[in-house]
Amino acid sequence: DIQMTQSPSSLSASVGDRVTITCRASQSIGSSVSWYQQKPGKAPKLLMRLASRLQTGVPSRFSGSGSGTDFSLTISSLQPEDFATYYCQQTDSTPITFGQGTRLDIK
Amino acid sequence: EVQVVESGGGLVQPGGSLRLSCVASGFTFSSYHMNWVRQAPGKGLAWVSRVNSDGSSATYADFVKGRFTVSRDNAKNTLYLQMNSLSVEDTAVYFCASMVYGWGQGTLVTVSS
Repeated sequence: DIQMTQSPSSLSASVGDRVTITCRASQSIGSSVSWYQQKPGKAPKLLMRLASRLQTGVPSRFSGSGSGTDFSLTISSLQPEDFATYYCQQTDSTPITFGQGTRLDIK
Repeated sequence: EVQVVESGGGLVQPGGSLRLSCVASGFTFSSYHMNWVRQAPGKGLAWVSRVNSDGSSATYADFVKGRFTVSRDNAKNTLYLQMNSLSVEDTAVYFCASMVYGWGQGTLVTVSS
């Protein structure tokens, strides 16, 4: 199974900050990484596929990069609605696996 | 607009069975793999199963293999998850997921005596 190691597990930041969350795969997976945002009591929202392809309707302050084993999600200027938990996911092979999540809260 | 709506969750006793359903719209359902993903209370996301676009092939997480069966009816744009031999560890919100278009809101399965 491909392990996805996500860091940090939690992060405190302020509105307007730039933040980056990283994910490392246990083997090379090309660009087969997606990123999700989840708010309490809600379903995960797909933000990005194939490492850097923003889903329709997702603000451009979100960006993704990486290939092979190292990936990152960057929010360029945090907005109040961005405080949530973020997950990376690999879709290269089954079992599909997720990172353990990064909880982003207000400093 | 893409919509994915799960149903069928509820309270079931250990050893019991439950069948989840998921109706999708807003995309060409029959062209895409579909998945089930679950989230235990306060925990992270865990992939459960995937079925290919025509329903001819399915894969499962080890923790459900032999107990759960995924299927689909492309004429009805519907995905199913038959869950047998349920245990308390299967308690979770179950999400129907297209890894291309998005997920449903989830349905809660509680296994308890």
